Amino acid sequence: AQTVTQSQPEMSVQEAETVTLSCTYDTSESDYYLFWYKQPPSRQMILVIRQEAYKQQNATENRFSVNFQKAAKSFSLKISDSQLGDAAMYFCAYRSARGGGGADGLTFGKGTHLIIQP
Amino acid sequence: DGGITQSPKYLFRKEGQNVTLSCEQNLNHDAMYWYRQDPGQGLRLIYYSQIVNDFQKGDIAEGYSVSREKKESFPLTVTSAQKNPTAFYLCASMGSRHQPQHFGDGTRLSIL
Repeated sequence: AQTVTQSQPEMSVQEAETVTLSCTYDTSESDYYLFWYKQPPSRQMILVIRQEAYKQQNATENRFSVNFQKAAKSFSLKISDSQLGDAAMYFCAYRSARGGGGADGLTFGKGTHLIIQP
Repeated sequence: DGGITQSPKYLFRKEGQNVTLSCEQNLNHDAMYWYRQDPGQGLRLIYYSQIVNDFQKGDIAEGYSVSREKKESFPLTVTSAQKNPTAFYLCASMGSRHQPQHFGDGTRLSIL
């Protein structure tokens, strides 16, 4: 079974600065998807960014980018120019690409609580 | 606008009672999922359905049941066999396998 580990229960950053959230995962598969979801106090799960394992290029969405290291099974999220609205829980998630059965279900880490200091 | 609607937002269960959480989507997605979130934890998969009239157990299915009679609807019943039902429940759906899952706003279930 796959596992996802987020080793930072809480991170704090000054507004306008850059912060990196860590995520490692364990899998024997070669093809999969990785995601970062944001969960603000409203409890909505909002997709921040996704990465296909077969793509070597790191995904980028505006101020959000990832550092995907497939061999190291590492998938960190970098938030540039942090804003107050970025304050939330951030979850790293894994999904198999092989399809069928429970493979489509997401496996989540326990989350990192990001605090933005004004 | 297309999306996933979960109701109610808050639900209370008495001892020995079954309760049903609603999840409706108008995204025309085939696959639907139920997750449970406990404080300080990530989400864990309860049940999933890839097509109408078919569903499968996820990682923590004990004490829960589902049905999938319509493509749009995937209700979750929390039975009296679930001894620790207090949690936040999230429903999700997915179109093609190359797309991410979309989530509803969740239902918070508490015990009276």
